[in-house]
Order: sequence, then structure tokens, then C-alpha cells
Amino acid sequence: EAGVAQSPRYKIIEKRQSVAFWCNPISGHATLYWYQQILGQGPKLLIQFQNNGVVDDSQLPKDRFSAERLKGVDSTLKIQPAKLEDSAVYLCASSFMRDDQQFFGPGTRLTVL
Amino acid sequence: GENVEQHPSTLSVQEGDSAVIKCTYSDSASNYFPWYKQELGKRPQLIIDIRSNVGEKKDQRIAVTLNKTAKHFSLHITETQPEDSAVYFCAASWGLGGGADGLTFGKGTHLIIQP
Repeated sequence: EAGVAQSPRYKIIEKRQSVAFWCNPISGHATLYWYQQILGQGPKLLIQFQNNGVVDDSQLPKDRFSAERLKGVDSTLKIQPAKLEDSAVYLCASSFMRDDQQFFGPGTRLTVL
Repeated sequence: GENVEQHPSTLSVQEGDSAVIKCTYSDSASNYFPWYKQELGKRPQLIIDIRSNVGEKKDQRIAVTLNKTAKHFSLHITETQPEDSAVYFCAASWGLGGGADGLTFGKGTHLIIQP
């Protein structure tokens, strides 16, 4: 079974620039999550999708972050404009259904200079 | 919202000894408690999980215990080996208890196995 795929793996940008991350969940997984992991901390949930609908985005900084999951499969997370404090690893996870084991992708390491 | 506290932040044990990591949570509605292992530069990997209708679960050298009354759960690793060295995260979620089920993570424990 193929795992959760993410790209790019690394990204370096200047502050105030824009950046987008892509996630392809495990085939058949209806639930998709984006987490932000700052160095030395545990992952923090940003947004949760069930198919193509948003279940929870209460911790997403909506003034600069946006996410979508068109057609209920792939998802993109965008930051515009980026700030220094956005430097982190952005992890995508998926599960077959809600309340099921979550499988994590390799993450995208973002550095904002 | 949910808050998860994890202790200790660093744990050093001799190879072959046992290691215990403890977490407390704040939301009594939480009913799913997974533990993840994360090696440097790698993705978090689920090692064991427990649901609120179970008090203890074991998988070979790894066990998790849950005390819902006290709102705390613990990870126990016996006969530790060098490959157990990593950062371990506990987490909690509502599951299908009525709310969203994204995980709230603790800050992690860096487990060091001394040869």
C-alpha cells in the first residue's frame, strides 16, 4: 500500500512570499489532516477535511493560510504572505474514516528567511 | 480545547531497562489516545493506541495504560534497545464523540538508550 505523498520535501522562501504544499493521501482515505510541526514541538492541527468538506479549521490562521481538497482526494495548503514564524515542517495525514488510525506523510520542511 | 501535557521532556535509560512516559489531558470527552514515535527527520509513526473503553493494551515490549478518572495515560517500553531511541509523542482526540477528531499532541519526550 502506497503511503501519504507530499511535495515539495523542502522549500526556502523570503518572508512575505507565497508558498503552496501538496498532499496525496492513501487511496480510499476519506479524512485528511494538515499539521504544523515547529522544531522541538509536537504537531499542531491546522485543518481537517472529510472528503472535500472542512470538519475543523479552528486553528488555521485564516488571514494568511488557506487549504482546499477538491474532488475529495488531493489537497493543497497555501501560505500568503509567509512570516518568519511559519518556518516549520508541514505534515499531511490521512485516515480511512474519522476516528481511525492516522498515517502521516514525510512532511514539507519550510524555511522562511 | 484539549490540552495535553507530557513528561519528561528527556529520558535517558540503560539498554535493557524499562522506560515510562506519562501524559495528562484536559478534556474529559477525549476518547482516543495514540502514541507516535518520530526519528530525526522522519514522519511520526504510530506505535500503539488505546480507546477509552480499555484500561490497558500491550504489544510485545510496548504497553499503554489509561486512567480516565485521573485523565492520564502512560507508555511503557520494556527491555529497551538502541533502536528505541527517538522522540515519542502522546496525543488525544475526541474520536467520534461529537467533535472533530484531529489529534492534540504533547510536546514530546526524547528517549535516549545508553549502551
